[in-house]
Amino acid sequence: EAGVAQSPRYKIIEKRQSVAFWCNPISGHATLYWYQQILGQGPKLLIQFQNNGVVDDSQLPKDRFSAERLKGVDSTLKIQPAKLEDSAVYLCASSLGDSIYGYTFGSGTRLTVV
Amino acid sequence: QKEVEQDPGPLSVPEGAIVSLNCTYSNSAFQYFMWYRQYSRKGPELLMYTYSSGNKEDGRFTAQVDKSSKYISLFIRDSQPSDSATYLCAMSSMNSGYSTLTFGKGTMLLVSP
Repeated sequence: EAGVAQSPRYKIIEKRQSVAFWCNPISGHATLYWYQQILGQGPKLLIQFQNNGVVDDSQLPKDRFSAERLKGVDSTLKIQPAKLEDSAVYLCASSLGDSIYGYTFGSGTRLTVV
Repeated sequence: QKEVEQDPGPLSVPEGAIVSLNCTYSNSAFQYFMWYRQYSRKGPELLMYTYSSGNKEDGRFTAQVDKSSKYISLFIRDSQPSDSATYLCAMSSMNSGYSTLTFGKGTMLLVSP
């Protein structure tokens, strides 16, 4: 079984620029999550999709972050404009249904904002 | 007070040692408890999960939950250099039927040969 694919692996941008991350979940996984992991901290949920509908985006800074999941498969997370404090690893995960035990994480995109 | 507290370490042990990793939590609604292992520059991978209080064993790993004390532990027996990683505890209350995980900061474990 192929894992969760994320790209790019690394990205360096200047503050106030925009950036987008892409995620391809495991085939058949209906639930997709974006987590933000700041250095030295645990992952924090940004947004959760069930198929192509948003289940939870309460911790997504909506003034600068947006996410979509087209056709219930791939997803993109965008930041515009980026701030220094957005420097983090952005992890995508997927699961069958809403099983909390079935999370599979991708390797993440490491974003550095300078 | 953070919902989940975890000592970031690093915790350095010699090969073969017994390792104890711990988390405390404040939200009594948490019912599901997990331990994830995260190698450098990789995503977290699920190691163990428990639902109720008590112990669960899987090979060299034992997960322990004490809901009355709001305290969970992961024990690693006969630790190996390949166990060197960051260990994250995670918890969920399954609000509204959807699974949101709350993670601790992670404890970095270093096992020396």
